[in-house]
Amino acid sequence: SAVISQKPSRDICQRGTSLTIQCQVDSQVTMMFWYRQQPGQSLTLIATANQGSEATYESGFVIDKFPISRPNLTFSTLTVSNMSPEDSSIYLCSVRDRGYDNEQFFGPGTRLTVL
Amino acid sequence: AQSVTQLDSHVSVSEGTPVLLRCNYSSSYSPSLFWYVQHPNKGLQLLLKYTSAATLVKGINGFEAEFKKSETSFHLTKPSAHMSDAAEYFCVVSPIKAAGNKLTFGGGTRVLVKP
Repeated sequence: SAVISQKPSRDICQRGTSLTIQCQVDSQVTMMFWYRQQPGQSLTLIATANQGSEATYESGFVIDKFPISRPNLTFSTLTVSNMSPEDSSIYLCSVRDRGYDNEQFFGPGTRLTVL
Repeated sequence: AQSVTQLDSHVSVSEGTPVLLRCNYSSSYSPSLFWYVQHPNKGLQLLLKYTSAATLVKGINGFEAEFKKSETSFHLTKPSAHMSDAAEYFCVVSPIKAAGNKLTFGGGTRVLVKP
């Protein structure tokens, strides 16, 4: 199974600023995903990031607010722009198993608090 | 379209007694189904998965789940709860043969284990 790391693990930011979260995988993967988990809530998919193409965003999420880069098959970044307290969440990246089962492996998450 | 409903937001059990976490799903495609566990301040870990093979699926840490197509259910059970089972559990659905392989998460069930 893939091993995924995220940086930073947590951060406290001021409103109006931006934070870039990094996701590193120990093997090459085609599909990477970014999720948000608001306090006490379940996970919501923000976007799918495939190498060499623009990220595909889910309803309610826009590129200006959550720009994503995917420069190669082992790395991706998610930026949370112009932050407000409502952006306080855990942000998780995941990768899809190359096997048939659609299984995804998740990173440890980045806990963001916006003041 | 797909959706997941976890019927209990909280479950409280005594150590050594059985655990039952209920999950119903809806999917336009033949589904893959997963149970993930999230311990406090930790990432998501896959407990088990159903991918159209055996309907009774055994996972890690003594958990198992049964896929019942007629009831559109995928309930998670464990015969004897341990203190370390205290965590948040997510039931997840994904289409087996559809582009994007998106995961849709249920709302989560928080398990409390009493000594």
